[in-house]
Amino acid sequence: DVKVTQSSRYLVKRTGEKVFLECVQDMDHENMFWYRQDPGLGLRLIYFSYDVKMKEKGDIPEGYSVSREKKERFSLILESASTNQTSMYLCASSFRDGSGGYTFGSGTRLTVV
Amino acid sequence: AQSVTQPDIHITVSEGASLELRCNYSYGATPYLFWYVQSPGQGLQLLLKYFSGDTLVQGIKGFEAEFKRSQSSFNLRKPSVHWSDAAEYFCAVGTMNTGFQKLVFGTGTRLLVSP
Repeated sequence: DVKVTQSSRYLVKRTGEKVFLECVQDMDHENMFWYRQDPGLGLRLIYFSYDVKMKEKGDIPEGYSVSREKKERFSLILESASTNQTSMYLCASSFRDGSGGYTFGSGTRLTVV
Repeated sequence: AQSVTQPDIHITVSEGASLELRCNYSYGATPYLFWYVQSPGQGLQLLLKYFSGDTLVQGIKGFEAEFKRSQSSFNLRKPSVHWSDAAEYFCAVGTMNTGFQKLVFGTGTRLLVSP
């Protein structure tokens, strides 16, 4: 069964910590995405990548960075976590042309205290 | 800019009744359209998609959606709702950006199913 795997389901971090969220896909997809999901706001795109070492800012990149050293792995980095980054984070991947839509991971619920 | 509107934040339907979830989009070109479902605490699962051709598309779990270009709509329907359909539903439009596709999502509709 094809999969997008997010390394943690739940994380609790302290304000100011550097946080890494990892995502791995096994579908040979070119594109990978990081979204955050908040009640009433839907899904908002943080960053995406359409190739190894390539990255593009989404709609809300402030406070985040990403890394894509290998095709199958896309990491989201919170350089200095803040309480307003408490959220559900969803990773997704797709083929370059979007055929088949996105495949999502199960999400990481991050709480920053 | 591309956008998706799901006008209903919550909908309650009795089990066995029919369902229609509304979705309107704004996009200048021919859109790629999707419906996703999210169960509590889970990621999003693709229900169905429209790329071209027949405007009535069938998906998983007995869902269907109809693309109406004149109304810029892509409403999701199910003839008989089951309690397990209670979830949040997201409509999305696919946009092409220099040969690369990106999805824009609506804010979701939460479906409650009453006995």
